[in-house]
Amino acid sequence: IAGITQAPTSQILAAGRRMTLRCTQDMRHNAMYWYRQDLGLGLRLIHYSNTAGTTGKGEVPDGYSVSRANTDDFPLTLASAVPSQTSVYFCASSDTGENTEAFFGQGTRLTVV
Amino acid sequence: GQNIDQPTEMTATEGAIVQINCTYQTSGFNGLFWYQQHAGEAPTFLSYNVLDGLEEKGRFSSFLSRSKGYSYLLLKELQMKDSASYLCAVSDSNYQLIWGAGTKLIIKP
Repeated sequence: IAGITQAPTSQILAAGRRMTLRCTQDMRHNAMYWYRQDLGLGLRLIHYSNTAGTTGKGEVPDGYSVSRANTDDFPLTLASAVPSQTSVYFCASSDTGENTEAFFGQGTRLTVV
Repeated sequence: GQNIDQPTEMTATEGAIVQINCTYQTSGFNGLFWYQQHAGEAPTFLSYNVLDGLEEKGRFSSFLSRSKGYSYLLLKELQMKDSASYLCAVSDSNYQLIWGAGTKLIIKP
C-alpha cells in the first residue's frame, strides 16, 4: 500500500441496502476525512477524525456513520442507502495543524438505484 | 456562514497565461490551498499560502491577500495537460478545509 487506498472503486447499490466504503492509509496521518463530490457543489465533508478513537460530523453527515478504531483505517457506512447518496466519495488524510496538505484516495463512484 | 467563490469555467489557449480567482469568507483563516483535479481522478495538491504575497512554483504561482479575502492561481505557458478543475480551499479556525466548487479550465490548441 502506498498512500491512501479506497475500496471499492465503483459500486451499484440497491436502495435500502447497507454499504461500507473502505479507506486505508499508510502515512501515519492523524487526521482522516470523508467527502462526497457532486457536480457543481464541490467537495463536501461528511465526517472526519482528528485522531484514532475520535470522530466528528462534517457538513453533510446524515445517513452516514464512521469509525476510527486505529490510525490507518477509516470506513464509511451507509446504513440504508438512498438515491440521493449517489455520488463520488473521496477519503483523505493529513497531518493536523498548519500547512498540512490533504492526500486523497482515488475515489469510490457509488450509484444507488 | 462560510463561503468560497470561484468561477465555474474558464477557457484559455495553449501557451497562454490564465488567472483563476478565489474569494473567501470563513470563520478564521489558517491558510489557503489550491488543488488540481483531472476528470475522474482525485484532487492533488498544488500550493499553499498563509502569508500575503506570491508563491511561485515552476509554471504555477499562487497569490494571497488576507485583508481582501482573495487569492488567485496563475498558470503560465499553458499545456493541454493543464485541462482540469482547480479547487480553492481555506483552512478555517479549526483547521478544517472549506472547499470551493472548483473552476473547470479548458485549454484549446
